[in-house]
Amino acid sequence: DQQVKQNSPSLSVQEGRISILNCDYTNSMFDYFLWYKKYPAEGPTFLISISSIKDKNEDGRFTVFLNKSAKHLSLHIVPSQPGDSAVYFCAASGIRGSTLGRLYFGRGTQLTVWP
Amino acid sequence: NAGVTQTPKFRILKIGQSMTLQCTQDMNHNYMYWYRQDPGMGLKLIYYSVGAGITDKGEVPNGYNVSRSTTEDFPLRLELAAPSQTSVYFCASSETQGAVYNEQFFGPGTRLTVL
Repeated sequence: DQQVKQNSPSLSVQEGRISILNCDYTNSMFDYFLWYKKYPAEGPTFLISISSIKDKNEDGRFTVFLNKSAKHLSLHIVPSQPGDSAVYFCAASGIRGSTLGRLYFGRGTQLTVWP
Repeated sequence: NAGVTQTPKFRILKIGQSMTLQCTQDMNHNYMYWYRQDPGMGLKLIYYSVGAGITDKGEVPNGYNVSRSTTEDFPLRLELAAPSQTSVYFCASSETQGAVYNEQFFGPGTRLTVL
């Protein structure tokens, strides 16, 4: 059973516009949420995270929003650049029970930013 | 720092053969992980280790074995390769869990095909 869901397998955005990637989760024990970026033939690299005690975290062009009541988070990239084209994975973890020290990943969203 | 390194990058196995995927990290991280990524899917945890001599099963451990004799190394063993084990395998590491979640650092992956 998929505990972290990314329902959009792909997203295409023009350069300079906003990219919004969405993620839903089902396990209420998750305390931390992360976004990873993956280029072909490379391992995922950490992009940005958010704790469940916050509803927003910003790092340069990247902002993650968390809506705990809806069990939903989103990643905003503004402005989008061609170098942002990659697969973005949403992941979740926690500090309790089976979530401790483990990451649960969504299936990923392929972002393509075109000039 | 080289970070997390994995060998080999690619491997083709015949059904029933065995092999070991190597993983080494030079960041002195206590936690290490093995994931597999099937096409169009997220990463699924195979095994993880919280320190030398301690390992535990993840979501999909069947058909695999691990050992952790040193902090740096975490090899993954396939004893009787099956076509269902065709996948990309990622090793990752992170610092010890504290009050704040620590991100996982990933290696570049090993692409394994079982024919």
